[in-house]
Amino acid sequence: EVQLVQSGAEVKKPGESLKISCKGFGYSFNNYWIGWVRQMPGKGLEWMGITYPDDSDTRYSPSFQGQVTISVDKSISTAYLQWSSLKASDTAIYYCARQGNWDFDYWGQGTLVTVSS
Amino acid sequence: QSALTQPRSVTGSPGQSVTISCTGTSSDIGGYNSVSWYQQHPGKAPKVMIFDVTKRPSGVPDRFSGSKSGNTASLTISGLQGEDEADYYCCSYTGRYTYVFGTGTKVTVL
Repeated sequence: EVQLVQSGAEVKKPGESLKISCKGFGYSFNNYWIGWVRQMPGKGLEWMGITYPDDSDTRYSPSFQGQVTISVDKSISTAYLQWSSLKASDTAIYYCARQGNWDFDYWGQGTLVTVSS
Repeated sequence: QSALTQPRSVTGSPGQSVTISCTGTSSDIGGYNSVSWYQQHPGKAPKVMIFDVTKRPSGVPDRFSGSKSGNTASLTISGLQGEDEADYYCCSYTGRYTYVFGTGTKVTVL
């Protein structure tokens, strides 16, 4: 069974750094792109970027380029999303999702990130 | 990359059909046959309902159908049921492994 399991909820202060994770199970992790999606409180889905585990090729939405870093460690089937300096406006649920047939066919359960002083 | 435009809400009675539009440009919807639709219930992760404009994943009821004309894609739910009440998002491939989501539509079943 294909599963994407994300790390747990985080509460951080503005200016702190953070790295959240997404671990794949039940499929050949290296051969499927993994994307990240933001959902701010009460708002819609926003596509942030995507990475290919086998060669770490990574693409970003212009809206998120320079704001976050997407990385992957294929040896442990895990993708990451990180911030170097969080802002209150980064408060959101972050989902990872596997790209299938030019869609996102499996999703993680989401990681709630709360940034508050 | 601007979000694709969807109506904020649509409403229907059980058994009726509703259609959700998703308008983009020639750089996204109009340029690729790679539109997908996602259903999201409150507090849950999104679930793919349609991919490649018209295809249904295994397990998705056949009352969900998709289409595209020019820069606009559509999702139709026929024979609306109470469990269909949710938020729906379209998503289009925009080239070089990048994507854009729609603004989202809340479907209410009366």
